[in-house]
Amino acid sequence: DVVMTQSPLSLPVTLGQPASISCRSSQSLVYSDGNTYLSWFQQRPGQSPRRLIYKVSDRDSGVPDRFSGSGSGTDFTLKITRVEAEDVGVYYCMQGTHWPRTFGQGTKVEIK
Amino acid sequence: QVQLVESGGGVVQPGRSLRLSCAASGFTFSGYAMYWVRQAPGKGLEWVALILYDGSNTYYADSVKGRFTISRDNSKNTLYLQMNSLRAEDTAVYYCARDQYRSPDYWGQGTLVTVSS
Repeated sequence: DVVMTQSPLSLPVTLGQPASISCRSSQSLVYSDGNTYLSWFQQRPGQSPRRLIYKVSDRDSGVPDRFSGSGSGTDFTLKITRVEAEDVGVYYCMQGTHWPRTFGQGTKVEIK
Repeated sequence: QVQLVESGGGVVQPGRSLRLSCAASGFTFSGYAMYWVRQAPGKGLEWVALILYDGSNTYYADSVKGRFTISRDNSKNTLYLQMNSLRAEDTAVYYCARDQYRSPDYWGQGTLVTVSS
């Protein structure tokens, strides 16, 4: 199975400051069609997960542009340019290239 | 708007069975692959199963293979998860989700399954 490793697992941030989460895969996530199927999810306390980013860097409709995704191959990053109070929660990466689908362990973002 | 509503969760004894349902609306259900994803209490997300848009192929996590069956009824816009031989480690909130670009884009609110004697 492809192992997805996120870091850090806990991220205290100051409101208005940037934040960055890393996600590394144990195998390349480039699919046979040339796309890389790496997505990011936000799970606010007590809520269902919400997808933010798909195919590494495509932002879902309604997602604020302070969220961005980047990376290639096995190394990916989710960045928040200026953290707001509503960004508190756990963030997960997930690969959709290989079977079985696998998620990272999650990164808990909290306000300092 | 896209809506996914899970039902069927509850408390069940180890070794027993349970069937979850997910009612879909707001999109052409028969045009999308669908997921089940679960989350044990206080833990992360775990992919459970996926079924293609027409039910022609299904895929499972090793942890549930041979015990769980994903299916769908496109005439009823409903996704199912038949869970047999349940174990304590199957205790989780079970989410159904729609697939887009090999990733779950819309998620339901989840249904809690508790396996306990």
